[in-house]
Amino acid sequence: DAGVIQSPRHEVTEMGQEVTLRCKPISGHNSLFWYRQTMMRGLELLIYFNNNVPIDDSGMPEDRFSAKMPNASFSTLKIQPSEPRDSAVYFCASTPPTLAGIGELFFGEGSRLTVL
Amino acid sequence: GESVGLHLPTLSVQEGDNSIINCAYSNSASDYFIWYKQESGKGPQFIIDIRSNMDKRQGQRVTVLLNKTVKHLSLQIAATQPGDSAVYFCAETPRIQGRRALTFGSGTRLQVQP
Repeated sequence: DAGVIQSPRHEVTEMGQEVTLRCKPISGHNSLFWYRQTMMRGLELLIYFNNNVPIDDSGMPEDRFSAKMPNASFSTLKIQPSEPRDSAVYFCASTPPTLAGIGELFFGEGSRLTVL
Repeated sequence: GESVGLHLPTLSVQEGDNSIINCAYSNSASDYFIWYKQESGKGPQFIIDIRSNMDKRQGQRVTVLLNKTVKHLSLQIAATQPGDSAVYFCAETPRIQGRRALTFGSGTRLQVQP
């Protein structure tokens, strides 16, 4: 079975450019999470969706970041305009529906973003 | 491969030895905990989880211990192998409402010497 699919795997861009990261969750999963990983701050939750609806976006750094989930099989994380401090690895993860409301996160391979 | 943290605490063990990785969590409301393994250039992978109504859970070569009194979690790996070399993260989540998200610790790098 295909896991969580992220694209691009690597992106190098210049400061001020728009960046769009994409994620396809595992089929049947109903929650999707965007995390950012840096050396200084580790893994930080940016936003998560449940049934395509944003539940908690308190981790989104600022208005330059936006995320959408137009349907159950696709999500985007957009940075506009990008800045060098946005350089990080961005992970998407998904989980299936569970009675307990919690469970294992299945992570993608990540998108490494470098903003020059 | 990528480095996930230049300042991560590092545990170095000999192949075949047992490893113990520790994690302190801060939220007393957390009731679900997971250990993840992250290899260089990859996303975190699930190892084992435990709920707060348990204090021990065993998997294949791994055991997680939970001490709620002191808010401490540990991961024990038996007969450590070179393939176990990675960064290990503990993660927690409190029950608030609806769907919950995991909060990750800073990680420990495990180096297995052949």
